[in-house]
Amino acid sequence: AQRVTQPEKLLSVFKGAPVELKCNYSYSGSPELFWYVQYSRQRLQLLLRHISRESIKGFTADLNKGETSFHLKKPFAQEEDSAMYYCALSGTSYGKLTFGQGTILTVHP
Amino acid sequence: DVKVTQSSRYLVKRTGEKVFLECVQDMDHENMFWYRQDPGLGLRLIYFSYDVKMKEKGDIPEGYSVSREKKERFSLILESASTNQTSMYLCASSSIRLGTGEAFFGQGTRLTVV
Repeated sequence: AQRVTQPEKLLSVFKGAPVELKCNYSYSGSPELFWYVQYSRQRLQLLLRHISRESIKGFTADLNKGETSFHLKKPFAQEEDSAMYYCALSGTSYGKLTFGQGTILTVHP
Repeated sequence: DVKVTQSSRYLVKRTGEKVFLECVQDMDHENMFWYRQDPGLGLRLIYFSYDVKMKEKGDIPEGYSVSREKKERFSLILESASTNQTSMYLCASSSIRLGTGEAFFGQGTRLTVV
């Protein structure tokens, strides 16, 4: 079975502060991990994937297999980062995609 | 531009009705998904299809069925709608074969069962 846990439902920070959204997963094989974002009144969309090891909109995420974590980080939050963030895992050869419970990030001015 | 289209943005149905939610993608993706999105519960997978006529139960399949007769179309069926199926339903598609497995989402259907 594959499972994704996001322990924080809500996260509030001030503009310019660092932010970290936590994600832990459970999967017996080698997973692919993703972060998706949903801005107000927009479709859910991919933010970044672990295999790319890239920074998107200042966000990065490192896969830690020992701790089975894939936390999302940004050193300086911006108001436009306010959104719902979902961590997701693709663990089967067919690409079955499982999401966490989501974290609502609010960045205050 | 990648497109996943859900047939309705809003639906209101009565308890006991049979409800069809339709989803079409134009990217030749082999994988298609149906999720429901509820506050505090995140996206929960209802059903997953990895090929035409192939399906796999997700985490919450009870009360739902699906149909995938053509590659581009994936239908979610509520056999007898109940009030606890009031929710936002999201369809998505992806392809391991064509890329990195990124999922593309529809705009969602907000279903209210009264």
